[in-house]
Amino acid sequence: NAGVMQNPRHLVRRRGQEARLRCSPMKGHSHVYWYRQLPEEGLKFMVYLQKENIIDESGMPKERFSAEFPKEGPSILRIQQVVRGDSAAYFCASSGSYQETQYFGPGTRLLVL
Amino acid sequence: QKEVEQDPGPLSVPEGAIVSLNCTYSNSAFQYFMWYRQYSRKGPELLMYTYSSGNKEDGRFTAQVDKSSKYISLFIRDSQPSDSATYLCAMSAGIQGAQKLVFGQGTRLTINP
Repeated sequence: NAGVMQNPRHLVRRRGQEARLRCSPMKGHSHVYWYRQLPEEGLKFMVYLQKENIIDESGMPKERFSAEFPKEGPSILRIQQVVRGDSAAYFCASSGSYQETQYFGPGTRLLVL
Repeated sequence: QKEVEQDPGPLSVPEGAIVSLNCTYSNSAFQYFMWYRQYSRKGPELLMYTYSSGNKEDGRFTAQVDKSSKYISLFIRDSQPSDSATYLCAMSAGIQGAQKLVFGQGTRLTINP
């Protein structure tokens, strides 16, 4: 009865490198959401995906950030050319079809040096 | 003005006290209301989920929604040291609107033995 899985749990990158964050939704869930939590702040929505489709990316920064949820495999949040301001905890959540509740993973803590 | 306002605290109460946590919101489209508990450096854990106005009780936890006042509350009875965490309110317009969750800043709660 695995919940939402995220890896890696911790990621250190130098400025200018790429960061790839992975999320496997809860079994039976086909909807994936990514949120970002900056220090001392609440969670901010980034993007909502279903298999092979981006449904809502209204919270994604216009540059350097992208997300996908392929037919097979986990959802990926990619951050290109990272900057120090990208340092944050990134959480993935999943839900089932026609379900309003979202269940969160343990998060990936990204540190940009 | 933020869509969801939540007093960040910190809030410190003695063990056994009744705790009241609150959020106000401005978007009348919100219909689904959730409370999450987040322990330090962990992912948010869903505590309570309420649709529209009314009360919902689950063990020591009671969630209240007053849509006319755009005000939601979470009450914790017989509080325990293990309840010490950050409590996040979250809400969405739902499937017919936008499924993304909008979070409050979170209230940091400490229960003192």
